[in-house]
Amino acid sequence: GNSVTQMEGPVTLSEEAFLTINCTYTATGYPSLFWYVQYPGEGLQLLLKATKADDKGSNKGFEATYRKETTSFHLEKGSVQVSDSAVYFCALGSWGGSEKLVFGKGTKLTVNP
Amino acid sequence: DSGVTQTPKHLITATGQRVTLRCSPRSGDLSVYWYQQSLDQGLQFLIHYYNGEERAKGNILERFSAQQFPDLHSELNLSSLELGDSALYFCASSSAGTRGEQYFGPGTRLTVT
Repeated sequence: GNSVTQMEGPVTLSEEAFLTINCTYTATGYPSLFWYVQYPGEGLQLLLKATKADDKGSNKGFEATYRKETTSFHLEKGSVQVSDSAVYFCALGSWGGSEKLVFGKGTKLTVNP
Repeated sequence: DSGVTQTPKHLITATGQRVTLRCSPRSGDLSVYWYQQSLDQGLQFLIHYYNGEERAKGNILERFSAQQFPDLHSELNLSSLELGDSALYFCASSSAGTRGEQYFGPGTRLTVT
């Protein structure tokens, strides 16, 4: 079945550092890929998405590129801020029946001033 | 604000009891999904309804059931509750043709004592 593997956390960075959170997937067909973010005490917010190979999703300075050849969708940000501290989830969406999401285990990011 | 509402925000109940969680999707969205988030299992898909009909089931226990009403709101019923059912329960909604893009509510935190 479909699955998502995400780098284990927690990740602790200083403000303005470069961020990479690795995500790889296993899927049949042509899934969509997503990054969701969960701030403390809140629900999940869609951060960015990519629906086909070589698509780049971007939002709020975060970027991720859908790499079919390496089955990856790594999240990057060039300069993190304290306000980026949250848990980040990589997710895979399939359809043709049910468009359920399959999530990675999440990576907790803490950014220190 | 995602536009998805969930009530109640918190629920504390005893083992063996039954509870109902409620979700209202974004205006115009026909699909409603339920997910369970726990520390050990992460985010797990439970069930998907589309316009009142069950579309797919995931790791949902037989003690759990759901339905979607004609006004598109959904309820998740949890019965014979066990300590291990303590978790965050999220509802998400999506519109057709968005290739898996889902919008999440703030969640209901269930504590079984």
